[in-house]
Amino acid sequence: KQEVTQIPAALSVPEGENLVLNCSFTDSAIYNLQWFRQDPGKGLTSLLLIQSSQREQTSGRLNASLDKSSGRSTLYIAASQPGDSATYLCAVLTEAAGNKLTFGGGTRVLVKP
Amino acid sequence: GAVVSQHPSRVICKSGTSVKIECRSLDFQATTMFWYRQFPKQSLMLMATSNEGSKATYEQGVEKDKFLINHASLTLSTLTVTSAHPEDSSFYICSAGARGLGEQYFGPGTRLTVT
Repeated sequence: KQEVTQIPAALSVPEGENLVLNCSFTDSAIYNLQWFRQDPGKGLTSLLLIQSSQREQTSGRLNASLDKSSGRSTLYIAASQPGDSATYLCAVLTEAAGNKLTFGGGTRVLVKP
Repeated sequence: GAVVSQHPSRVICKSGTSVKIECRSLDFQATTMFWYRQFPKQSLMLMATSNEGSKATYEQGVEKDKFLINHASLTLSTLTVTSAHPEDSSFYICSAGARGLGEQYFGPGTRLTVT
């Protein structure tokens, strides 16, 4: 059974610092991995989707890498801003799980001005 | 594109009553929809998967007679919480996927409070 872990569970940084969020998964046979952002009381906003054949995806200040063989993904957010404060979730679509996403526990980020 | 809506966004109901939550894919046909629940400061837990025109598949531990799911069309799925109890109070989120897209699109969520 796929298990997804996100470390750290919470992170507080001063504005301008780069953010590094980690996601690990136990079953490397995945179709893709997604990073989401969730603001308090809100739904999920998809940030980046990395297919299993890809090693990274970039969008603006966001960059996500994927090392499928070691079961790891890292989300980098450059030059953090207070508006980046949110919970970040990673989720994997595993071959053995059909079309079901497995979510990590999330990392709560606070960027202090 | 790929917008998913949920209605209502918030609902308060009395214990013992039933409440229906709608999930719509606005600009694509969703062959599969997923229902999640999320407790405060926790991640999303998949409750069930619904495929258009067939019965939903429930995850272990989810009572199918309590959480009724209907996916009658390619753009609409509903979740009905029957005989609601205060412990059913949670944030319910749906997502929708279309054949070939390989990505799920999430609705904004529904906050259910049972008093």
